[in-house]
Amino acid sequence: KAGVTQTPRYLIKTRGQQVTLSCSPISGHRSVSWYQQTPGQGLQFLFEYFSETQRNKGNFPGRFSGRQFSNSRSEMNVSTLELGDSALYLCASSLEYGTVTEAFFGQGTRLTVV
Amino acid sequence: AQSVTQLDSQVPVFEEAPVELRCNYSSSVSVYLFWYVQYPNQGLQLLLKYLSGSTLVKGINGFEAEFNKSQTSFHLRKPSVHISDTAEYFCAVSPYSGAGSYQLTFGKGTKLSVIP
Repeated sequence: KAGVTQTPRYLIKTRGQQVTLSCSPISGHRSVSWYQQTPGQGLQFLFEYFSETQRNKGNFPGRFSGRQFSNSRSEMNVSTLELGDSALYLCASSLEYGTVTEAFFGQGTRLTVV
Repeated sequence: AQSVTQLDSQVPVFEEAPVELRCNYSSSVSVYLFWYVQYPNQGLQLLLKYLSGSTLVKGINGFEAEFNKSQTSFHLRKPSVHISDTAEYFCAVSPYSGAGSYQLTFGKGTKLSVIP
């Protein structure tokens, strides 16, 4: 059974640009959560999607957005990139909404903003 | 809201020695507790979790953790470490079902370095 797939693995963007990251959950999983990992702030929750609806959102500015498609794949978008957005972005999938006890993480997308 | 404190940012230990990684949490509601491991340039892998029942939880790779409700702690232990255990370890909590958001709140991590 394939795991959580995040693409691309690495990205370099320029300040002011926008970026889209993709996450394909484990087959049959319908909930996708996103986390940002930085050396200074650690791992922080961005948002969770289930049934194409955002269910929860962390304390991030509106430049961070996401969506989920009918096949449960999810994308997150960051507009007007800032240097501080450089981070490892991790996606986690779980079977249903609220089943964080069974969350599985992808390998992440390393975003570098220059 | 929840918060997690991992008391040691770095722990060096000799191979085959025991290790304990400490985790304390704060929450106004009951929580589930987790330990994850992250190897370089990788995502997070679940080591073990406490949901209910026995306070001693056994996980993968020989790790175990003990939930102490009175001390709000969930320390991770291994009796004998291997070089391959070198990684960063994260303690996390999530509120019980019905308490609203199910997001994970993580500690800052503990880097375990196993010395040959």
